[in-house]
Order: sequence, then structure tokens, then C-alpha cells
Amino acid sequence: QKEVEQDPGPLSVPEGAIVSLNCTYSNSAFQYFMWYRQYSRKGPELLMYTYSSGNKEDGRFTAQVDKSSKYISLFIRDSQPSDSATYLCAMSAASYDKVIFGPGTSLSVIP
Amino acid sequence: GAVVSQHPSWVICKSGTSVKIECRSLDFQATTMFWYRQFPKQSLMLMATSNEGSKATYEQGVEKDKFLINHASLTLSTLTVTSAHPEDSSFYICSAPRPDRGNQPQHFGDGTRLSIL
Repeated sequence: QKEVEQDPGPLSVPEGAIVSLNCTYSNSAFQYFMWYRQYSRKGPELLMYTYSSGNKEDGRFTAQVDKSSKYISLFIRDSQPSDSATYLCAMSAASYDKVIFGPGTSLSVIP
Repeated sequence: GAVVSQHPSWVICKSGTSVKIECRSLDFQATTMFWYRQFPKQSLMLMATSNEGSKATYEQGVEKDKFLINHASLTLSTLTVTSAHPEDSSFYICSAPRPDRGNQPQHFGDGTRLSIL
């Protein structure tokens, strides 16, 4: 079993739709949970991060962490074509520790 | 602005040559840096942990004699791909935790795209 599982997609939605991206993990030591967006041929861009369980909202993005289920989610409201990218969930046991990435989900938002 | 800088951003070289990639922390000291590799349409995979003042630790399956890591100072780590071959063509990305910022996520460089002909 991989440490972090994520549906690779591709996921295609119409503009304005709500997008739900999810990851599961197996290592209960993970405390930091991140979502990165990556455009083709670019480095990962941090979107959201959460420490331990809970929800966090930033504009159109909401991140949720359920440590009891080892399940994290990213919701994108009012999706835009510019949101088309690969979304990587990532997690680590400590802020100074190595980051383990999920496989990434390819998202296309169709105008 | 960027707090972790990688150089070069893109390099093309012939098979058999060695290539050095630099990762710098711009306004903080990084005793640890991480090196990742990303093949096309795949996720980032940790290659090694670079430690200032000691040897790097490598993930299983990563050849330490091929991927030489030197953490030369508290702001610089280098990854040298020795005798590079086409299968080493990939996107190499470094990251650095920032100890002075507590529970903040790490900063990633913009990556180096390596193409071996």
C-alpha cells in the first residue's frame, strides 16, 4: 500500500462547478497536510496547508482533514479555466521533515 | 518572492556528462534540504535528504554514487548527476524547511528541467 493515495483522474468539469479532490494516507504520524497546484513544466505552488485535523478556507478553496479516517479533501468553488492544472496532496510528520506527495489529480475546467 | 532558488532552471547536455544543480535558501539558513525528482506525468518522489555538515541520506533505490549531494553551507545544497544518461532526464526540485517559522510548510524551488541527449 502506498503511503498516499490519490485518484489521478483526469477530471473534467464545466466552468463554475464545485470540484472535490481527495487523498487517503496510511501513516498516522502525518501532522501537516498540504495541497499544491502544478502547471505543466513548473514547480509546485502551495495552495493550502493544515496542521492536524480541521477545515481551512481561503477564497474559493477549502481544505479538510479528517485524521480519524486518514482522509483529506480540497474543494474548489466556482471553478475557473485557470484552475486547470495538476493538484498534488502532500503531507509530512513535521514541518522540517520530508514531504510525501500523492500521485496528483489532473483537472480540466472547461469554459 | 521566492525564498528557495534553484539554478539552472533548464539544462540540456550530452550523455556521459555531469550536471550540477544548485538549491539556495535566500533569506534563511537551512540545515536540511530535500531533493525530489519528477518524471513526466508522475508525482514528486523524494530522492535524498541533504544535511549540512554530514552525509546526505538517500531513499531506497537512489544511487548515491550517481547523485552526489553536497550541503556546502547553511544556504546552499548541490545535486550533481554524474555521467548522466537519457533515463536521468527529469524535473529535479528542492525544498527547504524554515526553522525560524515554526509550523509553516516548506518552501520549494521552481525546479530544474534536465534533458540528456
